[in-house]
Amino acid sequence: GAGVSQSPSNKVTEKGKDVELRCDPISGHTALYWYRQSLGQGLEFLIYFQGNSAPDKSGLPSDRFSAERTGGSVSTLTIQRTQQEDSAVYLCASRHISGTSGGETQYFGPGTRLLVL
Amino acid sequence: SQQGEEDPQALSIQEGENATMNCSYKTSINNLQWYRQNSGRGLVHLILIRSNEREKHSGRLRVTLDTSKKSSSLLITASRAADTASYFCASGGGSNYKLTFGKGTLLTVNP
Repeated sequence: GAGVSQSPSNKVTEKGKDVELRCDPISGHTALYWYRQSLGQGLEFLIYFQGNSAPDKSGLPSDRFSAERTGGSVSTLTIQRTQQEDSAVYLCASRHISGTSGGETQYFGPGTRLLVL
Repeated sequence: SQQGEEDPQALSIQEGENATMNCSYKTSINNLQWYRQNSGRGLVHLILIRSNEREKHSGRLRVTLDTSKKSSSLLITASRAADTASYFCASGGGSNYKLTFGKGTLLTVNP
């Protein structure tokens, strides 16, 4: 079936503008994660959604960052008043949570490469 | 903060050789996973080893886990040029299944 998709693939914006990044998880996956990856670095956790539970926002770097997940499916990550240090690849991942011990694997989208000029 | 730390940061080998990458973590885990990333894009899951397992195989991959040393290793045997990528370990634990990723090892396999 279809994997995780993200749009846009690339985004160039000017400092101070707002951007919205979209993630379509795998159908039926109840857990959704956003990560940020700066050049040559590992993944930095941003936010986690699971079903109807309150999201874990502990990784959001500032109040300029927010995310929503509508209808338990599509998610958007919004960055307001972008700064040059926001330039990075933003990765989304989804995961199926089941009652069994399996399902720990996260399935990643191709990412959105954001460049703030 | 990053919990997993891979070692080495970069590794260059010839096709056919074996590649070994190591990972250390700091807190207790439920499982440890290895992912591969090509060209700074999405990550692909390779293998998962649970905290009660010591070794696991999948094709040309062998993963070991030493919970007493809080370390894991990934061995790729008979490497191919197509194995060139960044490899990340990710430690899993906690009720929200949040993974903590290291900074990765950049593997280059020369033809």
